[in-house]
Amino acid sequence: DIVMTQSPLSLPVTPGEPASISCRSSLSLLHTNAFYYLDWYLQKPGQSPQLLIYLRSNRASGVPDRFSGSGSGTDFTLKISRVEAEDVGVYYCMQHIQTPHTFGQGTKLEIK
Amino acid sequence: EVQLVESGGGLVQPGGSLRLSCAASGFTVSSYWLHWFRQAPGKGLVWVSRINSDGSITDYADSVRGRFTISRDNAKNTLYLQMNTLRVEDTAVYYCGRRPTGGGIEYWGQGTLVAVSS
Repeated sequence: DIVMTQSPLSLPVTPGEPASISCRSSLSLLHTNAFYYLDWYLQKPGQSPQLLIYLRSNRASGVPDRFSGSGSGTDFTLKISRVEAEDVGVYYCMQHIQTPHTFGQGTKLEIK
Repeated sequence: EVQLVESGGGLVQPGGSLRLSCAASGFTVSSYWLHWFRQAPGKGLVWVSRINSDGSITDYADSVRGRFTISRDNAKNTLYLQMNTLRVEDTAVYYCGRRPTGGGIEYWGQGTLVAVSS
């Protein structure tokens, strides 16, 4: 199975400041079609997960442009350019290049 | 409006069975891969199973293979998860989700709680 490792696991951030979450996979997530099969999700407290980024760097519909995804090979990053109070929750990366699809452990973002 | 609504969760004894349903509205399920995920209390997300648009391809996590069966009824626009020989460690909120080709899990249900306990 592909192991997904996120860091940090806890991320206190001052509103207006940037934030960055790292996700490392144990195998390359580059498909033969040249897309990276890596998504980012946010689970706000008491809610179902919501899609932020798909295929490494594509923002889902309605996601603010302060969220961006990047990376290559086995190393990926989710960046928030200016954190807002509504961004609190747990962020997960997920690979779907091979089954079983696997998630990172989650990164809990909190507001300082 | 696209919606996924899970049902069928509840309290069951170890070794028992449950069938979860995921009713879709606002779109036709026959065009999408559909997935089941779960989240144990206070824990992270775990992928459980997936099924392709016509039901001919299914995949499972090792922890549920041979005990759980994913299926779909495109005529009823509904996804199912038959869960047999349930274990205490299957206790979780179960979510269904829709993934379009080339996209992410763009719609999730609200989840249904399965509690396995004697």
